[in-house]
Amino acid sequence: ELKVEQNPLFLSMQEGKNYTIYCNYSTTSDRLYWYRQDPGKSLESLFVLLSNGAVKQEGRLMASLDTKARLSTLHITAAVHDLSATYFCAVAYNNNDMRFGAGTRLTVKP
Amino acid sequence: SAVISQKPSRDICQRGTSLTIQCQVDSQVTMMFWYRQQPGQSLTLIATANQGSEATYESGFVIDKFPISRPNLTFSTLTVSNMSPEDSSIYLCSVDGSGVDTQYFGPGTRLTVL
Repeated sequence: ELKVEQNPLFLSMQEGKNYTIYCNYSTTSDRLYWYRQDPGKSLESLFVLLSNGAVKQEGRLMASLDTKARLSTLHITAAVHDLSATYFCAVAYNNNDMRFGAGTRLTVKP
Repeated sequence: SAVISQKPSRDICQRGTSLTIQCQVDSQVTMMFWYRQQPGQSLTLIATANQGSEATYESGFVIDKFPISRPNLTFSTLTVSNMSPEDSSIYLCSVDGSGVDTQYFGPGTRLTVL
């Protein structure tokens, strides 16, 4: 059974600092997703990573994928308050199904 | 990206009753998915709904409890049957992005069962 583990589950950061969220998964997959969820809102797609070594960047967020290590990272650079949200990674299986990690609740403090 | 709407956005229901949640998307999609997100938790896939065939349920979810309809390529319903307080969750539908490797999510239906 595919397991997806995220850590940390809770992250409190100071503005301007850098940090990385980790996503490990237990079986081979060819697609990994990162989503953002604001309180009381639905999920917003951030990144889709399709191959080993894939790196994607959008603003202060950068995601990478190592399929051999079954590891994806979401790196936050110079955090700002607007990045406060819950971040989920999700791993594809059975063609189109996705299994989600537990989520990382990020709080960026001034 | 696909624009997805869900009805109702929220509801408060009595134990033992049933609620049908509707999901409408603005373009034709092959696959639609239903997820449950319990308070403060991650998302769990309930089932995958393909037009013209029976829904495929994940382990722990059964058709009698969560019947799904998919009458066409833009619409699906999920019914939560014989509800109990443990069914209190947010229910989200999602669709495959056509030609884009991602899933788009609807706004969710927040269900409270008393």
